[in-house]
Amino acid sequence: GAVVSQHPSWVICKSGTSVKIECRSLDFQATTMFWYRQFPKQSLMLMATSNEGSKATYEQGVEKDKFLINHASLTLSTLTVTSAHPEDSSFYICSARSQLAGGSHEQFFGPGTRLTVL
Amino acid sequence: GQNIDQPTEMTATEGAIVQINCTYQTSGFNGLFWYQQHAGEAPTFLSYNVLDGLEEKGRFSSFLSRSKGYSYLLLKELQMKDSASYLCAVRSNTGFQKLVFGTGTRLLVSP
Repeated sequence: GAVVSQHPSWVICKSGTSVKIECRSLDFQATTMFWYRQFPKQSLMLMATSNEGSKATYEQGVEKDKFLINHASLTLSTLTVTSAHPEDSSFYICSARSQLAGGSHEQFFGPGTRLTVL
Repeated sequence: GQNIDQPTEMTATEGAIVQINCTYQTSGFNGLFWYQQHAGEAPTFLSYNVLDGLEEKGRFSSFLSRSKGYSYLLLKELQMKDSASYLCAVRSNTGFQKLVFGTGTRLLVSP
């Protein structure tokens, strides 16, 4: 089956530093990847959609200069949280859609990255 | 815009049946998904409906009424391991066909 990995699985950083999270589709090519954020006891909130080779599309209220997304290849998308602050502490989850999109559930989720900003 | 609502919490007893409702108002519709999520983990796919009616898969069934903007997830023969959050998500029919998630329902199954 389709597998999506994320790295790191958890990270702790100091306020003001930048953190990069990688999302990889391991056994399929993903033209589109989605980045979600989830605060405790809340649902997933879509942050942005990234397409290979083009600029990401951000949801309303998400700062594109703070959350930098790069989708450099069909198997890798990265999210960089710049100048992180404690309020950015959250669970970040990516999902990837197969290039051969079709069928009922072609969007596959990564295991998530827990970011804690001190 | 999109508005997807679910009850916040539900409780049920092992062996029982529980129905989790989801109502939605979206500008475009290309399918409704149900996911299960355990704390600290990524969501896992449960079911998908794009046409009206009931889809059954083992102990889980999902129903959709597009005209009413309504879906439910039915869990039968509840087990303790079913304690989790259940997320309803609607896929858009435009652009990137993104998935937008509902508020999520935390289900607690007790002995």
